[in-house]
Amino acid sequence: SQQGEEDPQALSIQEGENATMNCSYKTSINNLQWYRQNSGRGLVHLILIRSNEREKHSGRLRVTLDTSKKSSSLLITASRAADTASYFCATAIYNTDKLIFGTGTRLQVFP
Amino acid sequence: EAGVTQFPSHSVIEKGQTVTLRCDPISGHDNLYWYRRVMGKEIKFLLHFVKESKQDESGMPNNRFLAERTGGTYSTLKVQPAELEDSGVYFCASSQDEPPPIAGFTDTQYFGPGTRLTVL
Repeated sequence: SQQGEEDPQALSIQEGENATMNCSYKTSINNLQWYRQNSGRGLVHLILIRSNEREKHSGRLRVTLDTSKKSSSLLITASRAADTASYFCATAIYNTDKLIFGTGTRLQVFP
Repeated sequence: EAGVTQFPSHSVIEKGQTVTLRCDPISGHDNLYWYRRVMGKEIKFLLHFVKESKQDESGMPNNRFLAERTGGTYSTLKVQPAELEDSGVYFCASSQDEPPPIAGFTDTQYFGPGTRLTVL
C-alpha cells in the first residue's frame, strides 16, 4: 500500500464547520508537508512539520504529527467555500529529499 | 518573488512523437524535482537535481525519459518516444536546503502549475 494514505477520501461539510483530514505513513521521515490542489491547478504548499515537532499552526490550519503512530492530521477551522480542493500529505523520507504523496482527500465545502 | 514556472501548460502529441517539458525553479533554489501524476494514481517522484547534478533518479520510469539541468538553472524533461501511458500531469518543484544549525533537512518544496501531457 502507499507510503501516505489519507482518510477520508472525500469529505463534505458546510461553511463554518471544521474539516479534519488524516494521513498515515510507513517509514521514518524528515518532515511531512501538506498541499492543496484546486481543480486543474498546481499544488499549493500549506504547511511543513518536522519529525521533531508535534503540532504546528498557520492561520486556520492546525497540523499534528505523531511519529510513534506514523500519522498526521490537518485541521481546517471555520471552513469556507474557497477551501474546496483536494488535500495531499507528502512525506520526506529520512535521508532522501523526495516526497512520497498520499492519494489525497477531496474536500467540498458548501456555502 | 516569482514562483516555479512550467511550460507548456498543456501538450497533446501522438504516440511515438517527442515532447520536451521545461521547468524554471524559484531563483536561488539549488534543488529541483520532477514528479508526475498519471490518471487515477498518486503523485510520484521522478528525479531530483542538486544544481546541475542528478542526485536521485530512482523514479524515472524508463530510458524514454531524459532530464537535464544544464547550468543548474532551468530543467527540461524529454519524453522520446512518447507512449500512451505517459499521459498525465508533470509537476516540477524546487527547494533550498536549510541553513545551519539544521542543515541537512529538506526545506519546503514549491510546486509549479504542472504540464498536462496527453498522448493520443
